[in-house]
Amino acid sequence: GQNIDQPTEMTATEGAIVQINCTYQTSGFNGLFWYQQHAGEAPTFLSYNVLDGLEEKGRFSSFLSRSKGYSYLLLKELQMKDSASYLCAVMDSNYQLIWGAGTKLIIKP
Amino acid sequence: ETGVTQTPRHLVMGMTNKKSLKCEQHLGHNAMYWYKQSAKKPLELMFVYNFKEQTENNSVPSRFSPECPNSSHLFLHLHTLQPEDSALYLCASSLGTSGEYNEQFFGPGTRLTVL
Repeated sequence: GQNIDQPTEMTATEGAIVQINCTYQTSGFNGLFWYQQHAGEAPTFLSYNVLDGLEEKGRFSSFLSRSKGYSYLLLKELQMKDSASYLCAVMDSNYQLIWGAGTKLIIKP
Repeated sequence: ETGVTQTPRHLVMGMTNKKSLKCEQHLGHNAMYWYKQSAKKPLELMFVYNFKEQTENNSVPSRFSPECPNSSHLFLHLHTLQPEDSALYLCASSLGTSGEYNEQFFGPGTRLTVL
C-alpha cells in the first residue's frame, strides 16, 4: 500500500529552527509537495520538490532524497504565526496526490 | 472574487436531507477536486475532474454525487448521509494534473455536520 509518515505534533520556540520530516512509500514518484494549514483554514502551497536536493524559499526550505523516500521542511527564525499544521503530499505514478496526516507545529514564546 | 470559493461554509443536515455543496474557482484552472478532511487523518481524495471530465472516483459511496458543469464550477450533491460523513469538505483546483501543474489551490471548505 501507499504510505506517508509524518510526526503528529512538534513544539518549538519562537526564533528557533525546526525540521519536519516526511517519509513515503508510494507506487511511483512524480514530486512531493508541502502545504501549510492554519486551524480552520484551507491548506496553502509552500513548496514542490521533484529532484534531489534543497530548495530554499525565504525562511522555509524543503529537502528531498528520492533514494531514501525522505523529505523535510526546514523553518528558520520561527514566528508565532508559523503555528499551523504542515502537510506532506507525494504525487504517485498516476499523478494522484497521496497525503500525510500532517504535523501540528506549536510555537512557544 | 478571487481564488477558490466554497458555499456554504457550514452545513448541518439530517440523514434524510438532500443538500449540495458549491465550489467556484476564479484562477482559469482546468482541474478541480473534492477532498474530505477528518480530524487527525490524511486528506481523502474523493473526485477529480480534468477539463470537466471525471478522471478519479476513489470508491466514494453513491450518497455523494459530483457534478462539474464547466471548468470553473464543481458541485457535490449529498443525500442520505451518515453521521460518520461529518467532516470538512475541501474543494481545490490546479492548472493541470501532472508535475508542478498539480499545485493545488484550496477553498476554505464546508464544515458538514450530519445529525
